[in-house]
Formats: sequence, structure tokens, C-alpha cells
Amino acid sequence: QQQVKQSPQSLIVQKGGISIINCAYENTAFDYFPWYQQFPGKGPALLIAIRPDVSEKKEGRFTISFNKSAKQFSLHIMDSQPGDSATYFCAASRDGSSNTGKLIFGQGTTLQVKP
Amino acid sequence: DSGVTQTPKHLITATGQRVTLRCSPRSGDLSVYWYQQSLDQGLQFLIQYYNGEERAKGNILERFSAQQFPDLHSELNLSSLELGDSALYFCASSPGTQNQPQHFGDGTRLSIL
Repeated sequence: QQQVKQSPQSLIVQKGGISIINCAYENTAFDYFPWYQQFPGKGPALLIAIRPDVSEKKEGRFTISFNKSAKQFSLHIMDSQPGDSATYFCAASRDGSSNTGKLIFGQGTTLQVKP
Repeated sequence: DSGVTQTPKHLITATGQRVTLRCSPRSGDLSVYWYQQSLDQGLQFLIQYYNGEERAKGNILERFSAQQFPDLHSELNLSSLELGDSALYFCASSPGTQNQPQHFGDGTRLSIL
């Protein structure tokens, strides 16, 4: 129940196209869903995050869509650029009596945007 | 720049040895999280400290331990190292203990020969 499943494992998109990465979770207690971007040799950097009380959140070219009933959420990168080529991780965490905020990560998606 | 500083960037050592990884959180952040990143396991939560106290434990081996000091920096100690401990170790920090943005350092790459 603690898993977050991410797909696809890798993705190749043409410049200007839309990149879509999907995640699914089992634990309905999760209530915070961030996406991270990681470049080689760097740590994960927070891109955008969503909570279950909204179905969509947009920041620039990045949009999270959230489907609470299906227990799925996805990252859309509009007008994908070669500079977006990186590994993307979805994650989930929950508040609760333990109050930790520890993140459970998906396995990652390697995105390549071709010029 | 995330504001989280990790040292050293690289560590090369042998099996059976002990190493210490250091993390300085962002200014004002009281929580420090340690994660391990490997090809087969992905990013795994190890342990969290909040204001000097252990708050949560994940899949952390008994050979591993951590602490957070009064100045809020944290150290992850890995002992009796095995080949399988080779991985990237990341530290992240956040202001508190609830669901808040976690900012990651650039990690320490540990190679066991």
C-alpha cells in the first residue's frame, strides 16, 4: 500500500510536443503529491505539487492532473524543450498522527526531448 | 541552488569500512530527511530528524545510523560497508514535519570497492 507506480520508464518526445508521465497509488491516506525533476549529477528539484482537494494545478508549462477516484495523477509538460530532458519522479506522502512528511517515490521516468 | 549542502560529493572506500555523510539544511528548516538512490531500488526514504529528534524511520539498515545536531546539521553514518551500499545518498530539508516542500542537496556518491 506504500507503493507509487510510475510509467513510462522512458519517454522520447519531439521539441514542442507534450510529455505525459503517469503515476498511480494505492494508499488513500496519501494527501500530498509532488513531482521532482532530476538532472545528472544533481539532486531532485521540486517542480510542482498538488493536494487531493484540487483536480488540476498549472505552473508555466507544467500541469498536474489528479484523479482521486482512480488514485492516479499525471504530469503534463507542454511545449517540451530539449532543456526539459531529465528524469522525473512522482512522489506521495501523508499527514497523520506520525506527522513526518516522508516521501514515497515512483521509479522515475527518463525524458528525452529531441530538437 | 536548493540551499541544502552535502559533503563530500564523492566517497570511495572499501568493504567493511565506516563513513560519515554530512548535510546542512536550508536556513530555517528544522526537518532533515535522508534518502538513498540506487538503480534497482530507486529513491528510498531512510530516516528523518526534526529539531534534533528522530521522527521517522524507513528502510534503513541497522548498520546505518544518523543524528541531527543542535545547529541542525545532520550526519548519516554507514558502517561495515558492503558492495550493495554503493549508491547516491541525498539529504533533503523542510521547515517542519508535515507535507511541505522538501528541498534536496546534490547528494554524496558512495562507491564501495
